[in-house]
Amino acid sequence: EAQVTQNPRYLITVTGKKLTVTCSQNMNHEYMSWYRQDPGLGLRQIYYSMNVEVTDKGDVPEGYKVSRKEKRNFPLILESPSPNQTSLYFCASSLGLAVGEQYFGPGTRLTVT
Amino acid sequence: TQLLEQSPQFLSIQEGENLTVYCNSSSVFSSLQWYRQEPGEGPVLLVTVVTGGEVKKLKRLTFQFGDARKDSSLHITAAQPGDTGLYLCAGERMNRDDKIIFGKGTRLHILP
Repeated sequence: EAQVTQNPRYLITVTGKKLTVTCSQNMNHEYMSWYRQDPGLGLRQIYYSMNVEVTDKGDVPEGYKVSRKEKRNFPLILESPSPNQTSLYFCASSLGLAVGEQYFGPGTRLTVT
Repeated sequence: TQLLEQSPQFLSIQEGENLTVYCNSSSVFSSLQWYRQEPGEGPVLLVTVVTGGEVKKLKRLTFQFGDARKDSSLHITAAQPGDTGLYLCAGERMNRDDKIIFGKGTRLHILP
């Protein structure tokens, strides 16, 4: 089954404790992206990657890191999480020629206290 | 600055009625997508429109891309409770920076 998977689905952590949210897709998609979704602000792109070893900042990259060492995986790293990073996070992937046609993962609800 | 403005923000109507929601921008988009999102889940792609003036139909849903590729609309005929959800428009701007912009969405509730 074609899908995007994220782990964990729920995470509660404390300020400053490094964490990684994993994302994996099995569709051989070139384009992968991370978003955060907040009430009243909608979905905002954090980082995206056009292919292996190619990553670029989205609209809200501060406080986040990503890597793309393999085509299927695109982890999101929070080196020192802060409460304002409490949010619902989505990973998505798409074919390189149609980056807007995205398949989304189920989401990771992160709470930073 | 919100590059994609969706209206209305909220809409609650009776089953069987028709409705239209809008997605507007001052920017030109190379393509525009509509998604539906249900609580606790990721958005699901409904359609992509690419050509100015394009109309696409998906059963009772009709999507239109504006001639200038700056706006789009979604029309639902004879709404059903299963249509309830958050409808999001998203687009890739013509500057080809590969960033994707999302509107804030229209939350639709169909009353049985």
